[in-house]
Amino acid sequence: AQRVTQPEKLLSVFKGAPVELKCNYSYSGSPELFWYVQYSRQRLQLLLRHISRESIKGFTADLNKGETSFHLKKPFAQEEDSAMYYCALSPGNTGKLIFGQGTTLQVKP
Amino acid sequence: EAGVTQFPSHSVIEKGQTVTLRCDPISGHDNLYWYRRVMGKEIKFLLHFVKESKQDESGMPNNRFLAERTGGTYSTLKVQPAELEDSGVYFCASSLRDIRTAEAFFGQGTRLTVV
Repeated sequence: AQRVTQPEKLLSVFKGAPVELKCNYSYSGSPELFWYVQYSRQRLQLLLRHISRESIKGFTADLNKGETSFHLKKPFAQEEDSAMYYCALSPGNTGKLIFGQGTTLQVKP
Repeated sequence: EAGVTQFPSHSVIEKGQTVTLRCDPISGHDNLYWYRRVMGKEIKFLLHFVKESKQDESGMPNNRFLAERTGGTYSTLKVQPAELEDSGVYFCASSLRDIRTAEAFFGQGTRLTVV
């Protein structure tokens, strides 16, 4: 079965602390993985995708096929990072995204 | 450039009534997707248009849901008759190419409440 699991509903950290949002996936093929973010009162938007291997707003995510994980990390959280984060997988040869349940990141001052 | 626009932003209807949601994608985007998030659950794929053709409608829950994209521009999603479990937020997204190679841009969503 194709599935994305985000085990934490809420992650609360203090400003300046490291952040790791966990994402595990279940997919037998070669996945395309993404992180989407929804800030308060804004629409869902792409944060990063594993294939581009870039750092966006200080966030990085590494695909670990052995552990079937795609955790999102940032060394020093900022208050403006507070948002809902969704991990998503795109199965091969389809145009759809399979989303995890989302993790709310709360960065306290 | 205008983003993906959805109408209405909120809709409250009674069980058994009909509701039509509309999505205007970014101009030139051939790919259009519908998703929904019901209370407490993850965002789930409903269907994918490429121009006016349904590429994948595997996520449509049942035959009470009908999506159209006449002329390959805007799309409508009709729910008839609506049931209580249809309540949730319906998202539309569009992309220039397949989402594996091009960014998908989401609309602000339509919050549907069936009472």
